[in-house]
Amino acid sequence: AQKITQTQPGMFVQEKEAVTLDCTYDTSDPSYGLFWYKQPSSGEMIFLIYQGSYDQQNATEGRYSLNFQKARKSANLVISASQLGDSAMYFCAMREATSGTYKYIFGTGTRLKVLA
Amino acid sequence: NAGVTQTPKFQVLKTGQSMTLQCAQDMNHEYMSWYRQDPGMGLRLIHYSVGAGITDQGEVPNGYNVSRSTTEDFPLRLLSAAPSQTSVYFCASSYWGTNTEAFFGQGTRLTVV
Repeated sequence: AQKITQTQPGMFVQEKEAVTLDCTYDTSDPSYGLFWYKQPSSGEMIFLIYQGSYDQQNATEGRYSLNFQKARKSANLVISASQLGDSAMYFCAMREATSGTYKYIFGTGTRLKVLA
Repeated sequence: NAGVTQTPKFQVLKTGQSMTLQCAQDMNHEYMSWYRQDPGMGLRLIHYSVGAGITDQGEVPNGYNVSRSTTEDFPLRLLSAAPSQTSVYFCASSYWGTNTEAFFGQGTRLTVV
């Protein structure tokens, strides 16, 4: 069954430093996608980055990169050069093709606080 | 260029009342879904739809009904509101496929007293 686990309820990072947010997943489907979303205090959900299960290279989008370790079933988000505006809740999500439903499943989230 | 429009933004209900949360998208997305967000529990899937006329249950469907008569609209009905349904609700839509991002509505903060 689909499952996403985020074990860090909260994280602190100093401004300009890098931070890694952990995400592990479980699926028996060979075809799946992994996503990260940001939710600032204003509440909207913002898509950050995507990694496909067949992608050979780790995804990168600006200061965001996804450390994809398929054998370990982990998809950690790395934010480089943290900024105060990065303070938010971050959700890892997975979408698999099982039964053609393409359900989106989310983790419990990690609240990141960037310190000045 | 509206994207996903979700209404209302805020709602207070009394226990036992019913209401419908509206969700509409203008991107011709096949897939639509409803989530509830509670502290420490992330986003939990309530119901989803893979196309007009097709709906299915998610992780926490009890107390909620949905229908999908058109591609654009996917309303969520609370039949008899309970305090346990106090939450923030999000509607999301996307194309089919494992590589397509979800687009979210602004959210509805619902309080049941």
